[in-house]
Amino acid sequence: DQQVKQNSPSLSVQEGRISILNCDYTNSMFDYFLWYKKYPAEGPTFLISISSIKDKNEDGRFTVFLNKSAKHLSLHIVPSQPGDSAVYFCAASVNAGKSTFGDGTTLTVKP
Amino acid sequence: NAGVTQTPKFRILKIGQSMTLQCTQDMNHNYMYWYRQDPGMGLKLIYYSVGAGITDKGEVPNGYNVSRSTTEDFPLRLELAAPSQTSVYFCATGEGGRKNGELFFGEGSRLTVL
Repeated sequence: DQQVKQNSPSLSVQEGRISILNCDYTNSMFDYFLWYKKYPAEGPTFLISISSIKDKNEDGRFTVFLNKSAKHLSLHIVPSQPGDSAVYFCAASVNAGKSTFGDGTTLTVKP
Repeated sequence: NAGVTQTPKFRILKIGQSMTLQCTQDMNHNYMYWYRQDPGMGLKLIYYSVGAGITDKGEVPNGYNVSRSTTEDFPLRLELAAPSQTSVYFCATGEGGRKNGELFFGEGSRLTVL
């Protein structure tokens, strides 16, 4: 049973437009959520996180929204840039413990 | 400041062989993890450690062993390699506490078992 799901394997957007990446979870005990970005042949790098006590966290062009009742979170990138092209992983944890990852969404930003 | 260093970056093993993937960190983090990533999939936790001398199983520990004798090093041992262990392995560290979820990853070790 996959507890963290990213249902869109890929997403393609035009440079300058908004990218929205989605993530659903099933474990109601999760209280800390993170997004990681991964380029080919590199390890994932931390992007942004949100605690379950919040419904929004913003860092520059990146905003994460959390809807606890729907067990859904999303990552918004505005404006999207070609350098944002990467695989994005959603992750969730309980009490900031070990993280459970989704399968990732490959974002392609076209110039 | 190297962060998290994994060796080797690439390795080909024959079925039944054994090997150790090395992971060392200079971030002084107590928490260390080993994940594997299969093609098109997310990261699955193999083993983790919350400090020197303490290790615990993750989601997919079968066929692997770990040890944590120092804060810096967290080697992953593969015994009797099988084709199902063909994967990319990532070592990661975390600060613990509320920042524990924020992990710092190595560049990965690509293992092929033939």
